[in-house]
Amino acid sequence: EDQVTQSPEALRLQEGESSSLNCSYTVSGLRGLFWYRQDPGKGPEFLFTLYSAGEEKEKERLKATLTKKESFLHITAPKPEDSATYLCAVQAGNTDKLIFGTGTRLQVFP
Amino acid sequence: ETGVTQSPTHLIKTRGQQVTLRCSSQSGHNTVSWYQQALGQGPQFIFQYYREEENGRGNFPPRFSGLQFPNYSSELNVNALELDDSALYLCASSLWGAETQYFGPGTRLLVL
Repeated sequence: EDQVTQSPEALRLQEGESSSLNCSYTVSGLRGLFWYRQDPGKGPEFLFTLYSAGEEKEKERLKATLTKKESFLHITAPKPEDSATYLCAVQAGNTDKLIFGTGTRLQVFP
Repeated sequence: ETGVTQSPTHLIKTRGQQVTLRCSSQSGHNTVSWYQQALGQGPQFIFQYYREEENGRGNFPPRFSGLQFPNYSSELNVNALELDDSALYLCASSLWGAETQYFGPGTRLLVL
């Protein structure tokens, strides 16, 4: 069964303290891996799509990487406004449905 | 470019009632997917609509149904509401054949 696991569940960082979020997946025929940011009570905001192992994408303080079994979201010198839940999802096989992990809740303190 | 919009933002219903949620897709997008997100969980796929027909369904009972209209907007209908249906309902739009889905702000449904 296709599965996505995110760790840690929660992460508290001091402003400027870099770290990484992990997303491990077990799917048949990966079509894409997605990272979204979600603020409380809001819809997920698209960040990145990764398609193949070795691919990397960057946006401001965020960098996403992909291997054959997992993806990392690296946060460099985070700011309080980076506080949110970060969701990882995969798309596999011949279906368009996204399979989500339960997310990592990030809090960045000044 | 207009993003995905959903209405209403919040809704309170009682058990056994029926509810209709609405979604307008992002301009240029022709595919709509619906997800249910319980508190503290990731979104769960309900179904997808393309060309006004259901194209894929998750593990949800038939009392969850949908429609897509010629302008690509969509409705999610839930009959015989249960307490466990309380959740954030998310609509996502995409272009058929493209992988990335863009989400709306969601509708928060509370069933009492």
